[in-house]
Amino acid sequence: EDQVTQSPEALRLQEGESSSLNCSYTVSGLRGLFWYRQDPGKGPEFLFTLYSAGEEKEKERLKATLTKKESFLHITAPKPEDSATYLCAVQAPNQFYFGTGTSLTVIP
Amino acid sequence: GAVVSQHPSRVICKSGTSVKIECRSLDFQATTMFWYRQFPKKSLMLMATSNEGSKATYEQGVEKDKFLINHASLTLSTLTVTSAHPEDSSFYICSARGGLTYNEQFFGPGTRLTVL
Repeated sequence: EDQVTQSPEALRLQEGESSSLNCSYTVSGLRGLFWYRQDPGKGPEFLFTLYSAGEEKEKERLKATLTKKESFLHITAPKPEDSATYLCAVQAPNQFYFGTGTSLTVIP
Repeated sequence: GAVVSQHPSRVICKSGTSVKIECRSLDFQATTMFWYRQFPKKSLMLMATSNEGSKATYEQGVEKDKFLINHASLTLSTLTVTSAHPEDSSFYICSARGGLTYNEQFFGPGTRLTVL
């Protein structure tokens, strides 16, 4: 059964404390893995697309990596403005699966 | 680029009325648009997928007569919640895919529907 699982469900970090969010997937025929950021009461904001194992992408304090079974979103020296819910989604040939998200809180 | 707008951002209506939500791709042609529903602190639940000029494909459990979707052009899709009831209150989000970045879905800001 195709599935996307994100962990942890919630994460609290001190400002400057680096960490990683995980997205594990069991999907046949991966067409792409996507990371989004969602602020309360807003639609998801696109961050990255990864297509193949070994691929990495970076944007400011965020870096996304991909293996054959999972993706990590690394956050380096986070700031309070990085607080949000981070969603990962996986595109299979006929479906698009969303994880349940990781709620990140960065404390000043 | 890849901006998607939704209108209205918030709507409050009485039970039994119908509400239309518009989703527009502003700077690209969206060959496919998606409608999602999101409950508080939950992930997005896909309701339906629509391709321009054809009927929408609804996910299992989503009433197509209740949630009418029209994708009349490459930049506009509408979701009409017919005879709304309080249990239809939710956050509705559309996304669009197409143009040069064919694989990515770009999301609108969402519409908060409250049915009294």
